[in-house]
Amino acid sequence: TQLLEQSPQFLSIQEGENLTVYCNSSSVFSSLQWYRQEPGEGPVLLVTVVTGGEVKKLKRLTFQFGDARKDSSLHITAAQPGDTGLYLCAGEGSNYKLTFGKGTLLTVNP
Amino acid sequence: NAGVTQTPKFQVLKTGQSMTLQCAQDMNHEYMSWYRQDPGMGLRLIHYSVGAGITDQGEVPNGYNVSRSTTEDFPLRLLSAAPSQTSVYFCASSYSPVGTEAFFGQGTRLTVV
Repeated sequence: TQLLEQSPQFLSIQEGENLTVYCNSSSVFSSLQWYRQEPGEGPVLLVTVVTGGEVKKLKRLTFQFGDARKDSSLHITAAQPGDTGLYLCAGEGSNYKLTFGKGTLLTVNP
Repeated sequence: NAGVTQTPKFQVLKTGQSMTLQCAQDMNHEYMSWYRQDPGMGLRLIHYSVGAGITDQGEVPNGYNVSRSTTEDFPLRLLSAAPSQTSVYFCASSYSPVGTEAFFGQGTRLTVV
């Protein structure tokens, strides 16, 4: 079973601060996805990273896929209250199934 | 464009009862899947389907059945509900299982008493 460990599990910060969320595994993934989930809703895809070492930017969000394709990070610059939510990473393994991490619950206080 | 529609949104069952959670998508996606989400556990795959007539087990399939008679629909059946099945259930669909975006429904919150 391929496992994805996310850290931290909870994060509470003030508006304007920067933060980084990590997603780590001992397994290699062919791609890795980041989702954001708001209360009462299903997860919504933010980004997919495919190539080892790849960096993608989505406005204030920067996603990085590790060179060995075993880990990823999400960095948010100048966090805003609208960034509040559960951030989930999901790795696509050799069996084509998505394996989800347990998530990082982010709260950005105004 | 409705996307992925799940019904019902909320359900309370007594132990031993059976029920079906409905999932329908209008995006002509071949790949559909069911997950359950529990506090501190993330999303765990129950069953999935790569196309009409084809289903397979995920990580936590016990106590659940699925069928895929059409591309659009992928119902999840609880055979004899147990309190351990209290959870939020999500249905998802994607164009293919490989490297494409999974679209999720809004979830069904199930409580088994």
